[in-house]
Amino acid sequence: AQTVTQSQPEMSVQEAETVTLSCTYDTSESDYYLFWYKQPPSRQMILVIRQEAYKQQNATENRFSVNFQKAAKSFSLKISDSQLGDAAMYFCAYMNYGGSQGNLIFGKGTKLSVKP
Amino acid sequence: EAQVTQNPRYLITVTGKKLTVTCSQNMNHEYMSWYRQDPGLGLRQIYYSMNVEVTDKGDVPEGYKVSRKEKRNFPLILESPSPNQTSLYFCASSPRMLYQETQYFGPGTRLLVL
Repeated sequence: AQTVTQSQPEMSVQEAETVTLSCTYDTSESDYYLFWYKQPPSRQMILVIRQEAYKQQNATENRFSVNFQKAAKSFSLKISDSQLGDAAMYFCAYMNYGGSQGNLIFGKGTKLSVKP
Repeated sequence: EAQVTQNPRYLITVTGKKLTVTCSQNMNHEYMSWYRQDPGLGLRQIYYSMNVEVTDKGDVPEGYKVSRKEKRNFPLILESPSPNQTSLYFCASSPRMLYQETQYFGPGTRLLVL
């Protein structure tokens, strides 16, 4: 069974600085998707960024980028120029490509605080 | 606006009183799913549906039922709620097309079972 591990329960960053959130996963599959979701205090689950395993190029979305290391099964999220609105829980998630269940496997989350 | 909606957003009920949480999406997505979120456990899938009239169990289906009679709606039914079903529930949908597997989440329903 696939598992997702986020080893940092809490992180803190100064406004305008850069922070990296870690995520590792375990799978025997070669084709899959990886996601980072943000959950602010409103509890809404918001997609931040996604990565297809077959793509070697790391995904980027404005201030958010990932470092995808397939061999190491590592998928970290880098937030540049951190803003107060980035404060939230961040969840790393895995999904098999083409799997009938379409099940997202989530890590337990990292709580990010942003200091003004 | 493309969105997934859930109702109610907050619910307090008592053990054994049947309840339904509705979920609706306006994006014509084929795939819909229910998750529950509990402290320290992340999100876990309850049930999912690949299309109309096609549903199947996720990882934690005990105590729940679902139906998919229309493409846009996927209600979650608790026939006899118990306190261990107190949780935050999310509905999600996806186009379920090649390379478009991203799941979009509803706003969540916070349920307290006394």
